[in-house]
This record gives sequence, C-alpha cells and structure tokens, in this order.
Amino acid sequence: DGGITQSPKYLFRKEGQNVTLSCEQNLNHDAMYWYRQDPGQGLRLIYYSQIVNDFQKGDIAEGYSVSREKKESFPLTVTSAQKNPTAFYLCASSRQGAGEQYFGPGTRLTVT
Amino acid sequence: KNQVEQSPQSLIILEGKNCTLQCNYTVSPFSNLRWYKQDTGRGPVSLTIMTFSENTKSNGRYTATLDADTKQSSLHITASQLSDSASYICVVRTMDSSYKLIFGSGTRLLVRP
Repeated sequence: DGGITQSPKYLFRKEGQNVTLSCEQNLNHDAMYWYRQDPGQGLRLIYYSQIVNDFQKGDIAEGYSVSREKKESFPLTVTSAQKNPTAFYLCASSRQGAGEQYFGPGTRLTVT
Repeated sequence: KNQVEQSPQSLIILEGKNCTLQCNYTVSPFSNLRWYKQDTGRGPVSLTIMTFSENTKSNGRYTATLDADTKQSSLHITASQLSDSASYICVVRTMDSSYKLIFGSGTRLLVRP
C-alpha cells in the first residue's frame, strides 16, 4: 500500500448521516484520487485533485464532496444525498496526473 | 465508448498449474495498459505496465502480453501458488487530455491446494 493510509478500514453508518473517509499519503505526490468499487464492476472515479486547493468531479461525484487543503490529505465525505453509499472506497495518489497511481488499503462503508 | 472487458469472471485452478486471464479493450488511442493484483479487502497493486509498442512484459511468474492490433491483452500466471488467489484487474489509460484510467471488472482467481 506504499505510503497511503486510509482510515478506518470498516465504517458503519445509519442512513441519513454524513460520513468522512480519511486518506493520507507521505509519497509527496501531487495528484490524489477517490474511487468506488462495487462487486462485479470496475473501479469508478468519484473525485480527483491534481494540486492543493483544486479538485475535479469524476464520473460519479453526485452525493460526495472532497477537500484538498494539504498536499498529503484528501478526505472524502459521503453525504446523505448519495443513494447507494454502501461500497468499498479506494484512495490513490500519483506523482502527477498521468503517472502511476498507488492505492491505499481501502475503507469498506456500510450504511443501513 | 471506452470499455475494458475481462474474462473469465472467475477461475479456480490447482496449485502449481498455469492459467491465462484475458482483457479486451475498446480504448483508442491508449497510452498504456496495466495489470493490477487486488487481494480481498485490499487496494490494487501494479504487476505490469505496457505501452502500445510493447508486446510482452514479465514480472516473476506473471507475464503480460499485448496485441494492439486486436486490442487484446492477457496475463499468464506460471506455476500458481496459493498466494496468487486474488482479483486481477486490467486497466487502460486513455491518450486524450484527461489521461483517464478505464478499469475492467476483474477476474477473481482462486488457487486450491
């Protein structure tokens, strides 16, 4: 998992509650990414950030929000507006936008 | 539409046997193609990366091949071990301004003793 940490590993929330997933990297990478992984599907990009204080929506940004106040941190908030939040969430980082992405260990979120 | 399709969805083999996983893609043009290994409940880890001009790339018992004309790639695992049990994901990077990654849904491999 090479210098990228995600916490917690498992997270349980009640429907209607916002929840924030943590992602930290000590690789000095400029770019960071959030993906969602569902059974039988490829990873889907939620948000990405190529530089501090800047981020862009990915393919499935609705119901999610992010911030990038520090180079090493890229937290993801799953809001109550996300209709199907239960999933495995993966954070990744790369030296620059087109570079190899290194993945964190993931957070499994269960919303009931 | 840019797509990456992998087959089979799942595969069971006996320890010590070889196997080949397939990846077909419609991404064109593409920058590179990478195979990842993902253990259950963990993040993916890169195994190999190939550009469009490369035909084969090895990493220990893992050998990836690429045919850019037919838009097919394969991952061959030799002398499988129990620790090879994982999902194997084919990922293609686009060559447009977004340099986006297109992920396959993976092949789940189970190696039995």
